[in-house]
Amino acid sequence: EPEVTQTPSHQVTQMGQEVILRCVPISNHLYFYWYRQILGQKVEFLVSFYNNEISEKSEIFDDQFSVERPDGSNFTLKIRSTKLEDSAMYFCASSVPGGNNEKLFFGSGTQLSVL
Amino acid sequence: AQRVTQPEKLLSVFKGAPVELKCNYSYSGSPELFWYVQYSRQRLQLLLRHISRESIKGFTADLNKGETSFHLKKPFAQEEDSAMYYCALSRHNQGGKLIFGQGTELSVKP
Repeated sequence: EPEVTQTPSHQVTQMGQEVILRCVPISNHLYFYWYRQILGQKVEFLVSFYNNEISEKSEIFDDQFSVERPDGSNFTLKIRSTKLEDSAMYFCASSVPGGNNEKLFFGSGTQLSVL
Repeated sequence: AQRVTQPEKLLSVFKGAPVELKCNYSYSGSPELFWYVQYSRQRLQLLLRHISRESIKGFTADLNKGETSFHLKKPFAQEEDSAMYYCALSRHNQGGKLIFGQGTELSVKP
């Protein structure tokens, strides 16, 4: 079965630094998402992306965050100036067209540690 | 506000015993409910969704709108069912934005 690929699996950065988390969604999928999970807490929706634009974002997804699909295959999440509280597991997901109730395929996650 | 509650952090049963993982939700409209599972060192994957009314790996879940619940059940647990289980809700027409519960770790002992 095709998979969503995320790199790196673990990223360590200093507070205030920029990080880019990378994802390669499944090739025929058109909807893309980022979720995160702070240790011990719920998986939280960050943003959804469709047709080269953000379709919805949560309150967490402030000006420090941005997403991009630079080349038709990668889907990236950039955190401009990381804070300690950004430390979390970040999951990318994608889904096929269809709108309602589509099945999300998740990547294995990037563990971001901000020191 | 939409909310999903899984009251048990850990559920431990013996092999062959029945399992029920509880999920309650809070939502004013018509929700779509899902169960996702994460086996050890693997990615989150969809287990089942209420609209399909399916049974996957022996698991079933029925949406009870009166009790606002979507409990996951299996009559006879297997050791390979040990995993983290997440209940999730999406709003109608907002399929990809999922609101997750905190997850329940199921441990099936031999």
